[in-house]
Amino acid sequence: KNQVEQSPQSLIILEGKNCTLQCNYTVSPFSNLRWYKQDTGRGPVSLTIMTFSENTKSNGRYTATLDADTKQSSLHITASQLSDSASYICVVSTGFQKLVFGTGTRLLVSP
Amino acid sequence: SQTIHQWPATLVQPVGSPLSLECTVEGTSNPNLYWYRQAAGRGLQLLFYSVGIGQISSEVPQNLSASRPQDRQFILSSKKLLLSDSGFYLCAFLRQSSYNEQFFGPGTRLTVL
Repeated sequence: KNQVEQSPQSLIILEGKNCTLQCNYTVSPFSNLRWYKQDTGRGPVSLTIMTFSENTKSNGRYTATLDADTKQSSLHITASQLSDSASYICVVSTGFQKLVFGTGTRLLVSP
Repeated sequence: SQTIHQWPATLVQPVGSPLSLECTVEGTSNPNLYWYRQAAGRGLQLLFYSVGIGQISSEVPQNLSASRPQDRQFILSSKKLLLSDSGFYLCAFLRQSSYNEQFFGPGTRLTVL
């Protein structure tokens, strides 16, 4: 069964600190892995997208890594800001149009 | 540039009433379009997708239906809402690229009372 599991479910960090979110997947066939940021009550916005051959990709203070052998990905946020408070969703594509969504990690950055 | 719109932003409806949510896309032609539902504390669930006018594929059996009357318009409907239809509804379109990435609209928060 295709699944995407994320941890932790929720996380509270102080402003300025770094954090790492985890994503494990059992999806086959694998096409690409995406990280989305979803503010409360808004649609998800893409942060990074990586194919099988890409190990890391950055978008400003967000850096995603992918280990296709262990089927794990992480999203690292450096120097967190209050605006980083949101849900972060890991999504794996099995191919054209088929996406498997994780339930997300809810991040709260506290002043 | 390509943009996606949804309305209304929020909706409160009584059980048994009809539903119509609209999604429109600008800046692209013949896009693949998707309707998702996001229940509280759960991941996004694909409800319908469409690869062209009048072409609708349903992913899960449910109380909802979808239609695509125009190339860039996607509508989610119900004849009689159930309490379980409450949730956050997202429309998305596929941007053709090496990644075939989906872009999401702002969503509609539906509460059925």
